[in-house]
Amino acid sequence: QKEVEQNSGPLSVPEGAIASLNCTYSDRGSQSFFWYRQYSGKSPELIMFIYSNGDKEDGRFTAQLNKASQYVSLLIRDSQPSDSATYLCAVRPSGYNKLIFGAGTRLAVHP
Amino acid sequence: DADVTQTPRNRITKTGKRIMLECSQTKGHDRMYWYRQDPGLGLRLIYYSFDVKDINKGEISDGYSVSRQAQAKFSLSLESAIPNQTALYFCATSAPSAGVPDTQYFGPGTRLTVL
Repeated sequence: QKEVEQNSGPLSVPEGAIASLNCTYSDRGSQSFFWYRQYSGKSPELIMFIYSNGDKEDGRFTAQLNKASQYVSLLIRDSQPSDSATYLCAVRPSGYNKLIFGAGTRLAVHP
Repeated sequence: DADVTQTPRNRITKTGKRIMLECSQTKGHDRMYWYRQDPGLGLRLIYYSFDVKDINKGEISDGYSVSRQAQAKFSLSLESAIPNQTALYFCATSAPSAGVPDTQYFGPGTRLTVL
């Protein structure tokens, strides 16, 4: 059973702080990893993907991948109330043409 | 116009009724997917199709069927709806590209309620 685990939250951070969202996965051979943001009642929208160990930055967002420890994280710098949403981690396991989604972490950024 | 559209956006139906959810895309992607989302359970794959002649079951296909009418259209049917099929349904598309992970893009969703 290929699994992707996320803390459901809510993760509450003050405006301007760094929000750190974590995701672990069970399939060691997983190749690519995605972070989606989903506002309540809306569809998931892609924030970024990562497939190499290390960090990948895009604006206020940084994805971090550690394949040896089987975790991927998303850092949001200078968090804004508009960042309040559920963040979904998705993983493509080895030999799979499909994504496995975590249940998501709810982030609340308070003024 | 949105790249991935779903109709209807909201639907209330009764137990035992047949219902069809439709997905259309203008992204030119070959791959299309149907997911359902329930609170606390994340997105679960129902069916997926990598081209018009390719249909595959996902992890929760029982009670559902699909039709890929064209590259741009992928429909999901509930032959005899039951209350535990009440959920938010999403269509997604993707297209593999050299050197880039196959990334999925989602439609706006259909909220289905089965009474």
